[in-house]
Amino acid sequence: DIVLTQSPALAVSLGQRATISCRASQSVSISRYNLMHWYQQKPGQQPKLLIYRASNLASGIPARFSGSGSGTDFTLTINPVQADDIATYYCQQSRESPPTFGGGTKLELK
Amino acid sequence: EIQLQESGPGLVKPSQSLSLTCSVTGYTITSGYDWSWIRKFPGNKMEWMGYISNSGSTNYNPSLKIRISITRDTSKNQFFLQLNSVTTEDTATYYCARYDRMGINYWGQGVMVTVSS
Repeated sequence: DIVLTQSPALAVSLGQRATISCRASQSVSISRYNLMHWYQQKPGQQPKLLIYRASNLASGIPARFSGSGSGTDFTLTINPVQADDIATYYCQQSRESPPTFGGGTKLELK
Repeated sequence: EIQLQESGPGLVKPSQSLSLTCSVTGYTITSGYDWSWIRKFPGNKMEWMGYISNSGSTNYNPSLKIRISITRDTSKNQFFLQLNSVTTEDTATYYCARYDRMGINYWGQGVMVTVSS
């Protein structure tokens, strides 16, 4: 299985930039497709797709969210962070079966 | 609007089977996509369990392959999870979702299942 590694937590101040990283144990890219996706999850809610294929903003997601990366290293950026963004963020790869998730990064206020 | 809703018992005894239903509205499960079960353990780890495709074929996580079965009732637009021989380590929140290799855009609300005697 492809293992996705995320830092467990990140502390940020409101209005600042948050950068959340995800590293894969092997490439999750196929030709021009980077098969890494990002989700936001708040307590008691289902995950919400934020970014698909590494850098594409999902429908209805604010433009302060962005994604980048290829191969094995990916980044989710939130700029500027708002109070509503306090949540846990997961990366997920669909390059190989089984699809796998990172351990999640909990975004906290500094 | 596509909606998925899980239902099933919230408490299962060890060694018994866990059975959950996912009811889908707004989209016919035979029209496309793969219909998945995903679980989130206490402590945040998430695991994709498997899916049933729109054509009825299945694909399971090898870690669960001997215990899991995903089936469907196309007349009710539902699909089902059965997990056999559960232990306390199967305690989790279970989600059904419409799986897409381009990102999972539709999830159910989730149902918490506790395995305990």
